[in-house]
Amino acid sequence: GAVVSQHPSWVICKSGTSVKIECRSLDFQATTMFWYRQFPKQSLMLMATSNEGSKATYEQGVEKDKFLINHASLTLSTLTVTSAHPEDSSFYICSARDQGRPNQPQHFGDGTRLSIL
Amino acid sequence: EDQVTQSPEALRLQEGESSSLNCSYTVSGLRGLFWYRQDPGKGPEFLFTLYSAGEEKEKERLKATLTKKESFLHITAPKPEDSATYLCAVQARTGNQFYFGTGTSLTVIP
Repeated sequence: GAVVSQHPSWVICKSGTSVKIECRSLDFQATTMFWYRQFPKQSLMLMATSNEGSKATYEQGVEKDKFLINHASLTLSTLTVTSAHPEDSSFYICSARDQGRPNQPQHFGDGTRLSIL
Repeated sequence: EDQVTQSPEALRLQEGESSSLNCSYTVSGLRGLFWYRQDPGKGPEFLFTLYSAGEEKEKERLKATLTKKESFLHITAPKPEDSATYLCAVQARTGNQFYFGTGTSLTVIP
């Protein structure tokens, strides 16, 4: 089945550090990938839609200069949390959908636990 | 406004005690309704897609059904390994976005 790989799975770093998270679709091409944030015992909150070869679309309230998204190829999107602070600590999850099959589900990575000290 | 509501928020079952989870939705034209399972510290794992009212899908002890306003995830004779959070999402005909419910946390007690 479709597989999405997310790396790293866990990051602990000091306040002010920038952190990059990678999301790869391993067996299909994805012109669109999605980045979510999830707080404990809450559902997924869509942060942005990553579009291959063009700018990401951010949801209301999400700072585009804080959360930089790059979708340089059909199998890779990256999310960079710039100058991270403790309030950015969260579980970040990416997803992707096979571009040739628009009615198919999103497939998710295993998430990245980000802890800012 | 497109919206998804799941109930109950949490459910505790004895092993073998069948039950159903509910997903009510409001969407301007449904493209698909999706069920996922999420284990702690992991990303959601895809279970089912339903496209039209009356459709049903089954996988092992799980069966998903769809009407014009809601979907049910029926769990027959659950086992402890079925314990997880079950998420429902809908996609409208226009746009790429999925709208997720807040999930039902299922605990199956041996």
